[in-house]
Amino acid sequence: GAVVSQHPSWVICKSGTSVKIECRSLDFQATTMFWYRQFPKQSLMLMATSNEGSKATYEQGVEKDKFLINHASLTLSTLTVTSAHPEDSSFYICSAMREPGEKLFFGSGTQLSVL
Amino acid sequence: RKEVEQDPGPFNVPEGATVAFNCTYSNSASQSFFWYRQDCRKEPKLLMSVYSSGNEDGRFTAQLNRASQYISLLIRDSKLSDSATYLCVAYNNDMRFGAGTRLTVKP
Repeated sequence: GAVVSQHPSWVICKSGTSVKIECRSLDFQATTMFWYRQFPKQSLMLMATSNEGSKATYEQGVEKDKFLINHASLTLSTLTVTSAHPEDSSFYICSAMREPGEKLFFGSGTQLSVL
Repeated sequence: RKEVEQDPGPFNVPEGATVAFNCTYSNSASQSFFWYRQDCRKEPKLLMSVYSSGNEDGRFTAQLNRASQYISLLIRDSKLSDSATYLCVAYNNDMRFGAGTRLTVKP
């Protein structure tokens, strides 16, 4: 089946630093990638929808200057958390869609801890 | 109002029980629907897609009611391994997840 690779799996960083998370679709071209955030015992919250070659569409309340999303190719999307703060500590997970309306393939997630 | 709403539970059932989850969606233009399960600190895994005619996969049955805008998941003969959070999803240009329903199956 389709595989989505997400790296790193976990990262600990100091407050004020930037962290980049990569999401790759390994054996298919993803028309759309989605980025989610999940706090402990809470639901997956959609942060942004990313289409290759165009600007990401951010959900209300998600700062686009803080969470930079780049979708440079059909197999790679990156999320950069800029100037991370402790309140950004969360589980970030990407997913890819091969065709509109098809099921999502998820990366394994990145646990970010900001000290 | 959230776009996809679920009863958060928790549902605590004994092994062998039948349990049903419901989920409502607010966007009538939603085109595709899915049920995912998520184990703690893991990525969601697709359980099944939901079709208008209803569909079954082993012990799992999914139903879609477009008129009332809800989808359901029925689990028969619950197993301990079914313990997880079940997420319903509606697609309309993006994938919206419900908050999830926590199920615990006990011996």
